[in-house]
Amino acid sequence: GQQLNQSPQSMFIQEGEDVSMNCTSSSIFNTWLWYKQDPGEGPVLLIALYKAGELTSNGRLTAQFGITRKDSFLNISASIPSDVGIYFCAGSYTGGGADGLTFGKGTHLIIQP
Amino acid sequence: EAGVTQSPTHLIKTRGQQATLRCSPISGHTSVYWYQQALGLGLQFLLWYDEGEERNRGNFPPRFSGRQFPNYSSELNVNALELEDSALYLCAPSGTGGRYEQYFGPGTRLTVT
Repeated sequence: GQQLNQSPQSMFIQEGEDVSMNCTSSSIFNTWLWYKQDPGEGPVLLIALYKAGELTSNGRLTAQFGITRKDSFLNISASIPSDVGIYFCAGSYTGGGADGLTFGKGTHLIIQP
Repeated sequence: EAGVTQSPTHLIKTRGQQATLRCSPISGHTSVYWYQQALGLGLQFLLWYDEGEERNRGNFPPRFSGRQFPNYSSELNVNALELEDSALYLCAPSGTGGRYEQYFGPGTRLTVT
């Protein structure tokens, strides 16, 4: 089945720093999504990407759908304490939702004061 | 996403029993996906229901089943529970019309002893 490689696995950063994480796939995806999950809660959708090359921002977050359709990255600028959590990339192969979403294993973001 | 509710929040069962988990979607979302989030394994696609029909399932045995009701709420049933079924179960209603963002509920934590 589809495999999503998400890196880094964890990040220890200082408040105010910029953060970058990415996902790569062995095959093409037609939709990329980025989620954040806090402890004891369900993932919250941050950004959705539908076109190769698409660059989308949501406040301090920016994500891009790679040109090859096999990768995506998420940047967080000027990190703040509430950015702490686990970030997941997710992709849909069919683009029509029929296959559900394939998730990366997550990037655990830890911010040191 | 505000509006997606799941019940119960926690569920403790013994091996061999059956569990029923429920999901109430956001108004207007006719599809619902179920995912299993087991410790260390990330989110795994379980089932997809659309307009009351099971449309697709992930790599899970038949003892995982469900249904979707006319009001688009959904149930996930797990029969003959095994210890490895202990996980957070998440439902994710989804819109239609070419936008396949999935909005997760808070999840049901199932513990099998």
